[in-house]
Amino acid sequence: QKEVEQNSGPLSVPEGAIASLNCTYSDRVSQSFFWYRQYSGKSPELIMSIYSNGDKEDGRFTAQLNKASQYVSLLIRDSQPSDSATYLCAVIKGSTLGRLYFGRGTQLTVWP
Amino acid sequence: GAVVSQHPSWVICKSGTSVKIECRSLDFQATTMFWYRQFPKQSLMLMATSNEGSKATYEQGVEKDKFLINHASLTLSTLTVTSAHPEDSSFYICSAVDRALSYEQYFGPGTRLTVT
Repeated sequence: QKEVEQNSGPLSVPEGAIASLNCTYSDRVSQSFFWYRQYSGKSPELIMSIYSNGDKEDGRFTAQLNKASQYVSLLIRDSQPSDSATYLCAVIKGSTLGRLYFGRGTQLTVWP
Repeated sequence: GAVVSQHPSWVICKSGTSVKIECRSLDFQATTMFWYRQFPKQSLMLMATSNEGSKATYEQGVEKDKFLINHASLTLSTLTVTSAHPEDSSFYICSAVDRALSYEQYFGPGTRLTVT
């Protein structure tokens, strides 16, 4: 079983719609969860971090964490073509001193 | 805040030569830096973890004598690809974390290495 799994997509949504990205992780003691956005040919950019169960909102982005289900998601409201990118879910396991475990990423396309 | 720079942004070198890539945290002290490699259309692959003042920890399968890492200060880590070969051509990305604040990792813009 992989440390972090994401639905690989690709996911395609129309402009203005809600894009939903999902991620599960295997290590129950994981405490820190992140979403990164990576445009083609560029390095990852941190867009959300979440540490507690529940929702965390930042502008059009909402991260949701459910530790009991070992599940973290990212919702992008009012999707824009500029949101088209690969979204990487990353987790810090309980005992790895900051090392990130990445999912393979979900490619999102927002069409006008 | 939390800006990480890399230099150079791209480099072309001949097979057999060495290339040094610098990673700097511009507005915070990075107690830990990470080096990744990414091939086209593939996910990030962690190469090594670099802690200031100590030897780097390499991931399984990464040759430490080929990929030399030095984290001499709290704001600078370097990766030297020695005796580069065409198969070393890749996108090398560093990241830095300031554990004094959080575990959020911030990535540099990456260095695209082409070995001819």
